[in-house]
Amino acid sequence: QKEVEQNSGPLSVPEGAIASLNCTYSDRGSQSFFWYRQYSGKSPELIMFIYSNGDKEDGRFTAQLNKASQYVSLLIRDSQPSDSATYLCAVNQDQAGTALIFGKGTTLSVSS
Amino acid sequence: DAGVIQSPRHEVTEMGQEVTLRCKPISGHDYLFWYRQTMMRGLELLIYFNNNVPIDDSGMPEDRFSAKMPNASFSTLKIQPSEPRDSAVYFCASSLAQIHQPQHFGDGTRLSIL
Repeated sequence: QKEVEQNSGPLSVPEGAIASLNCTYSDRGSQSFFWYRQYSGKSPELIMFIYSNGDKEDGRFTAQLNKASQYVSLLIRDSQPSDSATYLCAVNQDQAGTALIFGKGTTLSVSS
Repeated sequence: DAGVIQSPRHEVTEMGQEVTLRCKPISGHDYLFWYRQTMMRGLELLIYFNNNVPIDDSGMPEDRFSAKMPNASFSTLKIQPSEPRDSAVYFCASSLAQIHQPQHFGDGTRLSIL
C-alpha cells in the first residue's frame, strides 16, 4: 500500500515568518511530487511541482525534494494570513506518472 | 480557457436514491480522475480514465459506484443506491498525458445523503 504522510497540524506561524511543511512517501520509485493548496470549502489548486532532487523556487514558495530520504517539503517565506489553508502533498502512484496519491494535508494558520 | 466543470455543486437526497455527478474536463486533456474527499480519509482516488477508457477503478468503494466516460468531454459518476456514508465532496480533475503533468480540479460536488 503506497502512502503519503503529512503532519495534520495545525501549524501556526506569525505573519512574516517562514512556514515549513513536510511530507514523506513510501514508494521509492515515485517520480513526480506536487503541492496543492486548499482553502476551506474550495477545491485543491496547484502551487508547485518538483521532480528533481534539490530545491525549486517560485516567488515566496520553495519546494525541496530528497529522494534518498523520501521526503518533500514546502517552504513559504514571508507568510501572509492569506496563506492560511490546508496544504496537500501528492505523489505519483504509477509508472506513467499520471495517477496521484494525496496526503491528508497540513493545516496552516498564519496570524497577523 | 474554461477549467474543469462539475455539476451539480450541491446535492441533497435521501438514502436509496440514485445520484449522478457530472464532469466536463479541460479541452485537450487526456486523463480524467474522480476523487472523494472526507475529513476522515482525505482525498481518495476512485477511478481514472485515459482517452475515455477506464484505467484503474480499484478505488471505487463498492459495486454501488459506477463511472462512465462516453466521450472526451463528459464523464459521470453514479451511486445507486446511495447511503449516508457516501456523503462527501466529490472532485473531478483532468490532466495532459505527459509525465509530471499536474491535475486541475473542478469545484467539486458536495453530496449529502440523508
